Amino acid sequence: GAGVSQSPRYKVAKRGQDVALRCDPISGHVSLFWYQQALGQGPEFLTYFQNEAQLDKSGLPSDRFFAERPEGSVSTLKIQRTQQEDSAVYLCASSIQPSTFTGVGAQYFGPGTRLLVL
Amino acid sequence: KQEVTQIPAALSVPEGENLVLNCSFTDSAIYNLQWFRQDPGKGLTSLLLIQSSQREQTSGRLNASLDKSSGRSTLYIAASQPGDSATYLCAVRDYGGSQGNLIFGKGTKLSVKP
Repeated sequence: GAGVSQSPRYKVAKRGQDVALRCDPISGHVSLFWYQQALGQGPEFLTYFQNEAQLDKSGLPSDRFFAERPEGSVSTLKIQRTQQEDSAVYLCASSIQPSTFTGVGAQYFGPGTRLLVL
Repeated sequence: KQEVTQIPAALSVPEGENLVLNCSFTDSAIYNLQWFRQDPGKGLTSLLLIQSSQREQTSGRLNASLDKSSGRSTLYIAASQPGDSATYLCAVRDYGGSQGNLIFGKGTKLSVKP
């Protein structure tokens, strides 16, 4: 079965440009997470979807960041007016369980999109 | 606020050596702890997940232990191989008002020399 896929794998943007990053989670997975990983750091949480509902966006660093998952499957993370500090790897993860499940609920990660803002 | 720390930040060992990677977390109110491997330019591969009620998990040459009360986990790698070279990340899922998101350490970069 297919894992989590992300596109594009690499994106170079000029400062001020808008970008859109796509995540295809594992089919049937209820939960979808976006993380940002700066160079030499661990991933940091950005936002969470349960099906199509965005239940937590507390990790989004500014109002330039926007995420959606309109049909409860594919998700898009959009960054408007990119800045150099947005350069990072953006990771998407999915889990079959909703966030309320506290049992075994492993998250499966995609390969990430490496964004470089010049 | 939960903080996850991994020591050492980098480790270089000769092939065949047994090694231990350390992870500590500040708040013991966790649901589970997960160890991941990350290869350069790649995403995260889950290695082991330990529920809060468990003490350890094993997979092949890997063994992860969890001492929730002291806020510590270790990842033991037996008979290391050059193919084990990667960054190892520890992450916890805690109670703290999150929606199940993981809180990560900065990782330990492992290099196994042939």
